[in-house]
Amino acid sequence: AQSVTQLDSQVPVFEEAPVELRCNYSSSVSVYLFWYVQYPNQGLQLLLKYLSGSTLVKGINGFEAEFNKSQTSFHLRKPSVHISDTAEYFCAVIQNTGGFKTIFGAGTRLFVKA
Amino acid sequence: DGGITQSPKYLFRKEGQNVTLSCEQNLNHDAMYWYRQDPGQGLRLIYYSQIVNDFQKGDIAEGYSVSREKKESFPLTVTSAQKNPTAFYLCASSGLAGETDTQYFGPGTRLTVL
Repeated sequence: AQSVTQLDSQVPVFEEAPVELRCNYSSSVSVYLFWYVQYPNQGLQLLLKYLSGSTLVKGINGFEAEFNKSQTSFHLRKPSVHISDTAEYFCAVIQNTGGFKTIFGAGTRLFVKA
Repeated sequence: DGGITQSPKYLFRKEGQNVTLSCEQNLNHDAMYWYRQDPGQGLRLIYYSQIVNDFQKGDIAEGYSVSREKKESFPLTVTSAQKNPTAFYLCASSGLAGETDTQYFGPGTRLTVL
């Protein structure tokens, strides 16, 4: 069975500092990987996704993520955060065997301080 | 503008009552989903539908029911059999492009049982 582990439940960081949100997954087959962001009391929206090809994926709002197959990781990074990046971030996985169910991690709350 | 709407935004229910949460999309998507979100647990799949008049149980379907009579609508009923219904409910949709397809989320309904 596949699973997604987000290693940090909360990440406080100062404005303009870099940030990394960690995500590890377990799966016996190849996967597709996603990062979604959720602002307070709203639905989720896609930040970026990895399907194939280059392991470095760039998304919206200056975020990027790197797929590391050997470490089964898909960490999200931003070189300089803004107050407006304060939100909850979800890593998600779909396994590449014809199934289509998305498995979400528990989320990481990013709190950007002035 | 295309998107997904959920109503109401907040819903209060007395114990023993059934309530229905609305989800409508005008994205012409074939697939629709219902998730439940609890603090620290990420999103869990309740039901999903890939086509009109067809739907399948997700991981936590007990105490819930759905219908899919129209492509654009996928209402969720929380029945009195659901033991702990207080949660944030999210509806999503995607085109029927298989597992690589991005899910688009509605703004959510927060249900509180009094």
